Amino acid sequence: AQSVAQPEDQVNVAEGNPLTVKCTYSVSGNPYLFWYVQYPNRGLQFLLKYITGDNLVKGSYGFEAEFNKSQTSFHLKKPSALVSDSALYFCAVRDGDTGGFKTIFGAGTRLFVKA
Amino acid sequence: GAVVSQHPSRVICKSGTSVKIECRSLDFQATTMFWYRQFPKKSLMLMATSNEGSKATYEQGVEKDKFLINHASLTLSTLTVTSAHPEDSSFYICSARDFSSYNEQFFGPGTRLTVL
Repeated sequence: AQSVAQPEDQVNVAEGNPLTVKCTYSVSGNPYLFWYVQYPNRGLQFLLKYITGDNLVKGSYGFEAEFNKSQTSFHLKKPSALVSDSALYFCAVRDGDTGGFKTIFGAGTRLFVKA
Repeated sequence: GAVVSQHPSRVICKSGTSVKIECRSLDFQATTMFWYRQFPKKSLMLMATSNEGSKATYEQGVEKDKFLINHASLTLSTLTVTSAHPEDSSFYICSARDFSSYNEQFFGPGTRLTVL
């Protein structure tokens, strides 16, 4: 069975500073990894994904994530945070080999960016 | 990118009534759609997988008689909450799978259900 862990409930960062939102995963097959962002009372917006290829994935709004197979991690990063980045971030995983269509989400990490 | 819509965005109903939520893929065909439930400040919980033309597959602990799912066409899935109770109040989000985009899922904007 697949699972996702986001160890931090909340991340606080000052505007202009780099940010990292952590994610580790567990799947038996090849991991398909995703990051989504959610604003209050809204659905999820796709940020980026890793399926295959380069371990460093670049996505929307200047975000990027690095796939690390040995550490089973897929941390989300941004070099310079904006106040508008404040939102709820979800990491998600799907087993590319055997997981069928199920995507499992982490508990979410709330990002606060202070001006 | 692909767009998924949900209707209504908000609904308030009385206890004991039924509520139907629609999920539509607007510019692609989705043989598979998913229904999630999100509690306040919590993650998304997968409720069921909806397959066009066949019965939905429910996750463990989800009452299939209470949460009726119909996927009658390649662009529409509906979730009906039957005999709603206040504890059914939640944010319901659907997503649709686009086979042309590495099986990526696109999410609807969500429906806020409040049962009085």
